[in-house]
Amino acid sequence: QQQVRQSPQSLTVWEGETAILNCSYENSAFDYFPWYQQFPGEGPALLISILSVSNKKEDGRFTIFFNKREKKLSLHIADSQPGDSATYFCAASTNTGYQNFYFGKGTSLTVIP
Amino acid sequence: EAAVTQSPRNKVAVTGGKVTLSCNQTNNHNNMYWYRQDTGHGLRLIHYSYGAGSTEKGDIPDGYKASRPSQENFSLILELATPSQTSVYFCASGDAGGGNERLFFGHGTKLSVL
Repeated sequence: QQQVRQSPQSLTVWEGETAILNCSYENSAFDYFPWYQQFPGEGPALLISILSVSNKKEDGRFTIFFNKREKKLSLHIADSQPGDSATYFCAASTNTGYQNFYFGKGTSLTVIP
Repeated sequence: EAAVTQSPRNKVAVTGGKVTLSCNQTNNHNNMYWYRQDTGHGLRLIHYSYGAGSTEKGDIPDGYKASRPSQENFSLILELATPSQTSVYFCASGDAGGGNERLFFGHGTKLSVL
């Protein structure tokens, strides 16, 4: 079954707005949640990540909010720019033994100038 | 800058043929991974490796083999390619530092099996 779910599948915002990308997971043992950004024709690249011991992580315009009890997290992109247009993948893994990352299906973000 | 290079970038193969996808990393990372990316499925793990000489099955290994002859190189082998293996394949290396591994991906190989 799908271990990591993302919504919406696609999102369009105006330049300057805050884009909110959602992610939920099934396995309570997951404790590390990276978000990857992928531009067309390229491989994914790590954008920002959070550990389950934290409920918030900020890096510039990008913020992850994490709710362990509800097994949900979200990526907020403040002051969205056209250059942020990409597909964003939420991933999850456990910190025991080897790390097997489970990826969501991605959210395609379009920022309109 | 970490670098993962995949070859070829595009490949057209015939059903039943053998296909080898190659990956080279200059990061000196122990861990390497092969994923496939399909619309509606995201990234799915095929095989991975902890170091030279090791290969392990991921979540969808059927129809694929892997080879890790050295720290730098990790290959994915399709012995008998099928149309269902048409996909974009990504290789990644991982800096498994303290368990919060960061994956560095290549640009991908687009494989079409006709």
